Order: sequence, then C-alpha cells, then structure tokens
Amino acid sequence: ETGVTQTPRHLVMGMTNKKSLKCEQHLGHNAMYWYKQSAKKPLELMFVYSLEERVENNSVPSRFSPECPNSSHLFLHLHTLQPEDSALYLCASSQKTGGNTGELFFGEGSRLTVL
Amino acid sequence: AQKVTQAQTEISVVEKEDVTLDCVYETRDTTYYLFWYKQPPSGELVFLIRRNSFDEQNEISGRYSWNFQKSTSSFNFTITASQVVDSAVYFCALSLNTGGFKTIFGAGTRLFVKA
Repeated sequence: ETGVTQTPRHLVMGMTNKKSLKCEQHLGHNAMYWYKQSAKKPLELMFVYSLEERVENNSVPSRFSPECPNSSHLFLHLHTLQPEDSALYLCASSQKTGGNTGELFFGEGSRLTVL
Repeated sequence: AQKVTQAQTEISVVEKEDVTLDCVYETRDTTYYLFWYKQPPSGELVFLIRRNSFDEQNEISGRYSWNFQKSTSSFNFTITASQVVDSAVYFCALSLNTGGFKTIFGAGTRLFVKA
C-alpha cells in the first residue's frame, strides 16, 4: 500500500452537486492536511487535522467542509462549488513533533473539475 | 513574514547536463527547516530532503546535491548528469519551529530534461 492514498483521482461535478474526496494514510502519522494546487498559484493550505486540534485557513470558503473521523482518514466534503474551485486537491500527512510540522508525505491528488 | 522565492519558473536542459534550481527564503526565526519536493506528472509531491537551520553542511545523494548558505538565505538544489526522469516541478519549502502546521512553499520550478 502506498503511504497516502486519495480517491477519486478525477472528479467532474456540476455546481449544484455534493461530493466528497477521501484520503487515507498508512504511515502512522499524527497530522493530516488538505492542500489546493491551482494553475500558476502557490500551494494553498486549506485544513489541518491533528490529535490536538483542527486548523483552517480562514480564506477557505464554507462550501469546503473537512472531516477527520480518525488519525488515518480525512475527507473533504464539497457542495455548491464554483468553476474557480477546479484544481488539484492534495492530501498530505506528517509526524508533527514539538513545534515542527516535519516533512509532508503527499497523495497523488484528486483532480477536480467544476462545470 | 516568511517567504520562499524560486525565481526560475521553467528550466530546459538536455540530458546529461547539470542543472541548479535556486531557492531563496526569508524568515526572522533562528530555528527553521527547509525542504525540497519533486512533483512528477503523476501529481504527488515527493519529499527529497529536509535541513534544519543549524546544519549548514551540504548534502549529496546520488546525482542530487544541496547547498545551504545561511549568509545568503539560499538553499539551492543541483542535479548532476540530468535524466529525462528528472523532468518534474520542484518545490522549495520552509517551516518554522514555532509555525504550527504551516509549511510555506515556493512557486515551483518546472524542469524539462530533453533526450
């Protein structure tokens, strides 16, 4: 099994649909992340979950809703998205020790297209 | 404020050439970590190396080498005798010991290696 697995790899949805992205990590890490990668923009951290806390980027619209049922699984629920939300959504995990995030281990991403 | 600058947007080389990818960072913290990641066409970012701010020793791993210079706030990455499989987008990143979960990524450098 690869370290971080994301499904689906590709998703096309209309603006009125509701869908979810799934991420699973098999590395025993204590933190999981959602990143958004749009063309010609830096990687954008959307959400972080760890044993201690959930951290979110306040600029992320409420139409994106994360869920972390346990330390190995992370979801990103999508509803009433806009075409500008089309991007590659990357899940990552890391072992956070002390004050530092540690290196990130990424999944292959979910390529989302909003029509 | 923290920032990572990768001034080279795209680099194109011919196989077997050496190529250096530049990375300049900004931070006022004295303890921080620098990373390089590779993003091949498949999408996932692959961790290559991590350095902490107290270790300026250069590192070599096969055809890859890294030059960390605090005096110029640079953490450059050299690929020796490049190969077509090195074609990818390479990201430099910075995280702080007090930065919580945030890793700051550069915009990336797209490397094309032609046969």
